[in-house]
Amino acid sequence: AQSVAQPEDQVNVAEGNPLTVKCTYSVSGNPYLFWYVQYPNRGLQFLLKYITGDNLVKGSYGFEAEFNKSQTSFHLKKPSALVSDSALYFCAVRTLYNQGGKLIFGQGTELSVKP
Amino acid sequence: ETGVTQSPTHLIKTRGQQVTLRCSSQSGHNTVSWYQQALGQGPQFIFQYYREEENGRGNFPPRFSGLQFPNYSSELNVNALELDDSALYLCASSDGWEQYFGPGTRLTVT
Repeated sequence: AQSVAQPEDQVNVAEGNPLTVKCTYSVSGNPYLFWYVQYPNRGLQFLLKYITGDNLVKGSYGFEAEFNKSQTSFHLKKPSALVSDSALYFCAVRTLYNQGGKLIFGQGTELSVKP
Repeated sequence: ETGVTQSPTHLIKTRGQQVTLRCSSQSGHNTVSWYQQALGQGPQFIFQYYREEENGRGNFPPRFSGLQFPNYSSELNVNALELDDSALYLCASSDGWEQYFGPGTRLTVT
């Protein structure tokens, strides 16, 4: 079965410091990985995806993620955190399921950036 | 904003009632997926529609049903509501790799 794990319920970072939100996955076949962010009372916003190619993927709002096949990880990173980055972050893996593919999400990690 | 809209924003229903949630997909997207997000959890896949046909279903009972219309908008229907159905219901439209989510409908069952 395909699954995603986000081992940290919460990550606390000071503004200006680098941040990392961890994600590990378990899939059969090639992984197709995504990061989404959710602000309070809002839907999910797409940040970035890994389909194939370079292991370092750059996305929206200065975020990037590193795909590591040997460690089955896809950690989200940002060199310098902003207070406005405080939100709920979800890692997801997609199953190849015809046109759209269903997403399997992790439990989410609450990121808190303090001034 | 993604261009995916959902209605209503919030609603409150009583256990045993039926509810219909609506989703308008982003222009040109022919695939719509529905997810249930319980409080403190990640979204769970309910089902997907592609060109008006169900194209996959998650681990939800048959009282969760859906439709997709020729303009690719979609409905999620839930019969015989239970307290555990209280959640944020998200729809997402897609024309390829990325799924674009709407703001969700917050359903409270009392």
